[in-house]
Amino acid sequence: GNSVTQMEGPVTLSEEAFLTINCTYTATGYPSLFWYVQYPGEGLQLLLKATKADDKGSNKGFEATYRKETTSFHLEKGSVQVSDSAVYFCALTPYSSASKIIFGSGTRLSIRP
Amino acid sequence: GAGVSQSPSNKVTEKGKDVELRCDPISGHTALYWYRQSLGQGLEFLIYFQGNSAPDKSGLPSDRFSAERTGGSVSTLTIQRTQQEDSAVYLCASSLEQGVEQYFGPGTRLTVT
Repeated sequence: GNSVTQMEGPVTLSEEAFLTINCTYTATGYPSLFWYVQYPGEGLQLLLKATKADDKGSNKGFEATYRKETTSFHLEKGSVQVSDSAVYFCALTPYSSASKIIFGSGTRLSIRP
Repeated sequence: GAGVSQSPSNKVTEKGKDVELRCDPISGHTALYWYRQSLGQGLEFLIYFQGNSAPDKSGLPSDRFSAERTGGSVSTLTIQRTQQEDSAVYLCASSLEQGVEQYFGPGTRLTVT
């Protein structure tokens, strides 16, 4: 079946630290991959996406590369800010059924000033 | 423009009662999705509507759950004979077509006492 496994949290970092949140997936075919973010008290919003192998999604200083050989889509940011504190969800839409999103369990990130 | 809206934002109900949750998608979006976010299960897909096609109900957890979409726009998720395990945040999303970015509403927090 289709599934997403991501790094368990919570993750606590100091401001300006380097961030990596690991994500691996299992899927048949060629899924599209996403990172969604949920800031405190706000709704879920798309952070970045990649629709085919070797694509790099980027937004707000965050990046993730679609690695088919390792079935991974790790989220990285070079220098985190307090405002990045949120819950991050790795997700996919299966190639065979692009109608629904399958989410990972979420990683809570807290940034200390 | 206006985003996805959901009502009510919070709902407290007694076990055994029926509840209706409403979703207004972004104008012009043909696809509408319902998800559930709970502590134990994370983010789960429930049901998906696309135009006039039969809905994908594969995520509904039991026959107590149903949803309809009238006139290709507003959707109502109904939970009959609510149970405590139904307590969760119910999220609605819409998109222009299958497989592209889904825009999420703020959710309805349901508490079953």
